[in-house]
Amino acid sequence: NAGVMQNPRHLVRRRGQEARLRCSPMKGHSHVYWYRQLPEEGLKFMVYLQKENIIDESGMPKERFSAEFPKEGPSILRIQQVVRGDSAAYFCASSPQLGAAEAFFGQGTRLTVV
Amino acid sequence: GIQVEQSPPDLILQEGANSTLRCNFSDSVNNLQWFHQNPWGQLINLFYIPSGTKQNGRLSATTVATERYSLLYISSSQTTDSGVYFCAVGGRETSGSRLTFGEGTQLTVNP
Repeated sequence: NAGVMQNPRHLVRRRGQEARLRCSPMKGHSHVYWYRQLPEEGLKFMVYLQKENIIDESGMPKERFSAEFPKEGPSILRIQQVVRGDSAAYFCASSPQLGAAEAFFGQGTRLTVV
Repeated sequence: GIQVEQSPPDLILQEGANSTLRCNFSDSVNNLQWFHQNPWGQLINLFYIPSGTKQNGRLSATTVATERYSLLYISSSQTTDSGVYFCAVGGRETSGSRLTFGEGTQLTVNP
């Protein structure tokens, strides 16, 4: 959905570098979700954030990955010391309310680690 | 956690044909969405349908929550319908609008 903005669309990093992925939710949405899609696979949940809070990070790898959603500005997914296995499409979704509601996805960031 | 199974995994159609895609899930849900991922990788919302029936043009969907399945119907298919169709659900135990995705149905519509 065009309303959720992700950037960059494509990101190339060398092994060992840091990757920063940004997500601005739809207007009026205060809940953000990050998903990862490996080649030829479905999307896997990583982390759920509200403004200034991590609500559920049960899908996030314990090392090298972190996420934030500050009071001002976009949500950031940060991957430190990237490895080839981090190459994937990373999608952000947003929803408007606490509890179950329709989620809308951005166009994704395709990370390639060389 | 909740399990989601989609069938068939692959489907090849001639333009104009109809098709039915199925999504089975292992537990009660309070959220169910169908998406189309086009060849450029973009995820497009098709339906938000935790229960009941909805229609949008040539597409319709039905979720029978008590029997734990959902169906997506595509009528008079077009080549632009090609791509991967994902079913995604949120269980009653999951947080917010967090979704568990199935592995998808790869649809190819030939002219």
